[in-house]
Amino acid sequence: EPEVTQTPSHQVTQMGQEVILRCVPISNHLYFYWYRQILGQKVEFLVSFYNNEISEKSEIFDDQFSVERPDGSNFTLKIRSTKLEDSAMYFCASSKGQGGYGYTFGSGTRLTVV
Amino acid sequence: QKEVEQDPGPLSVPEGAIVSLNCTYSNSAFQYFMWYRQYSRKGPELLMYTYSSGNKEDGRFTAQVDKSSKYISLFIRDSQPSDSATYLCAMSVQAGTALIFGKGTTLSVSS
Repeated sequence: EPEVTQTPSHQVTQMGQEVILRCVPISNHLYFYWYRQILGQKVEFLVSFYNNEISEKSEIFDDQFSVERPDGSNFTLKIRSTKLEDSAMYFCASSKGQGGYGYTFGSGTRLTVV
Repeated sequence: QKEVEQDPGPLSVPEGAIVSLNCTYSNSAFQYFMWYRQYSRKGPELLMYTYSSGNKEDGRFTAQVDKSSKYISLFIRDSQPSDSATYLCAMSVQAGTALIFGKGTTLSVSS
């Protein structure tokens, strides 16, 4: 069964440092997403990406965040200057979009900011 | 009012029981409804996907959507210890747009 692959599985970084989280979505999917889940809280939408541009973003996705699809397979989330409150599980997801299919999530990257 | 509400539980049942999990929502524009299963520190795994109102069955799982009441349900028949996990409801306005999640219900099935 096709999978969404995320690397690394766990990243520890110092406050103020930049981090890049990486994802390989399912190859024939058209929509790509980042979500995060702070420990004990809901899964929260950050951003969606379609046709090489951001199609939707939440209030959480401020200027410290950016996304990129540098080639035909990778999808990245960059956090420019990490804060303690950025510590969370970050999930990448992809979907076919139109046609009514579910969203497939990766296993997540656990980001710990110290 | 929160957009998607889900009782966090925990819910404990014996093996073989029928489990009912529910979510309510406030945004009448939601059209796509999903149930995910999440194990500790893992990504959500899609269980059921439904468009608009009605029922959908897949093996031991049945999803129901009642848009008039803004209420969705997931039923698990013949529950197994391996069903022990957190169950998340999620919904979106259009295919491909942001998913809004409930907080999840933690289920424990004892043998």
